[in-house]
Amino acid sequence: KQEVTQIPAALSVPEGENLVLNCSFTDSAIYNLQWFRQDPGKGLTSLLLIQSSQREQTSGRLNASLDKSSGRSTLYIAASQPGDSATYLCAVRPQGAQKLVFGQGTRLTINP
Amino acid sequence: DAGVIQSPRHEVTEMGQEVTLRCKPISGHNSLFWYRQTMMRGLELLIYFNNNVPIDDSGMPEDRFSAKMPNASFSTLKIQPSEPRDSAVYFCASSFLTILRQGRDYEQYFGPGTRLTVT
Repeated sequence: KQEVTQIPAALSVPEGENLVLNCSFTDSAIYNLQWFRQDPGKGLTSLLLIQSSQREQTSGRLNASLDKSSGRSTLYIAASQPGDSATYLCAVRPQGAQKLVFGQGTRLTINP
Repeated sequence: DAGVIQSPRHEVTEMGQEVTLRCKPISGHNSLFWYRQTMMRGLELLIYFNNNVPIDDSGMPEDRFSAKMPNASFSTLKIQPSEPRDSAVYFCASSFLTILRQGRDYEQYFGPGTRLTVT
């Protein structure tokens, strides 16, 4: 059974810092991995999707990496801003399945 | 596009009452997913449909839960009777899946969720 873990559960950093969020999964047989952002009381917004054959994806100040063999992904946020404050969720799509398996998320706070 | 639409956004009901949550997927999408989010268990898939047909309902907690998708533009999730432990945020998501794209560029788009409180 696929399990996804995100560490840390919460993170607070000053504005302007670069930071890394971690995601690990137990089964490397995946189609892809997605990073989502969730603002309080809101739905999920997809940030980046990495296919199993890819090593990384970039969008603006965000860079996500995938090491499928070791079951790890990182989300790198450069030059953090208060507007980046949210919960970040990692999800994998197991091979042979359409569903996503989510981690518990990392609650990120950027202090001005 | 308006995105995935869910209604109501908030629902407060008493234990034992029937609750119906509604979802309108993005036009043209052929897969629809119902998720539940709680503090204790995080986000969990309840059921998903392909071309209006339920494919995997193994996440549905018990017989009190049922889901239907009568057409490509509408789905419901019903809880009867509701219990306090059903209190959660229920999300609907949709995607477009083809044989050629299976496993690639597969992205789910989430609605804003329905916050359910059962007292």
